[in-house]
Amino acid sequence: NAGVTQTPKFRILKIGQSMTLQCTQDMNHNYMYWYRQDPGMGLKLIYYSVGAGITDKGEVPNGYNVSRSTTEDFPLRLELAAPSQTSVYFCASSPRDRSNSPLHFGNGTRLTVT
Amino acid sequence: QQQVKQSPQSLIVQKGGISIINCAYENTAFDYFPWYQQFPGKGPALLIAIRPDVSEKKEGRFTISFNKSAKQFSLHIMDSQPGDSATYFCAASLSTGGGNKLTFGTGTQLKVEL
Repeated sequence: NAGVTQTPKFRILKIGQSMTLQCTQDMNHNYMYWYRQDPGMGLKLIYYSVGAGITDKGEVPNGYNVSRSTTEDFPLRLELAAPSQTSVYFCASSPRDRSNSPLHFGNGTRLTVT
Repeated sequence: QQQVKQSPQSLIVQKGGISIINCAYENTAFDYFPWYQQFPGKGPALLIAIRPDVSEKKEGRFTISFNKSAKQFSLHIMDSQPGDSATYFCAASLSTGGGNKLTFGTGTQLKVEL
């Protein structure tokens, strides 16, 4: 049982490049989330999904896109990378069996845009 | 904007001492208040959580105190140990709307010295 797996662990992008951050979970959780973590700023919700085929914006969605074609996978797409997207990105999941279930986080992807 | 304000930003405590981290929230509709612990290079992990119908919750050396009228809650770590050195985030969420969309505080970096 691997939990939430994120790839890659590190990535350097040039301004204007695009990339997809991968996230997969093997816990059969319905809910999945993408957060970004910046120093001194805590974690901000980018997008979330309540199930396959359903996604919605969080607090800071601009510059990102997501899809949820399966229960397991929730990739985050950056189309035109900007220096402001330099951050550590965390994917998380939680079950639907009860409200306010704990979030299970992956170990993050550290992204630098130069 | 829904906010959770956390203080202090950093904290140094001697081994065996008490660590205290404080948070304040604005949205009175929040009904779930967790604390997450994060070690370097890892994702946050749930430490302890409380609902607003109780004033205190204790799990081992970790205690949450909750003051609904003041819209404040705090984490107390008794007998602090070097292994407790980590970043701690308070958070808050609503149980409605699907998923567990947490609003995080800005984090407290705790160092426990020998």
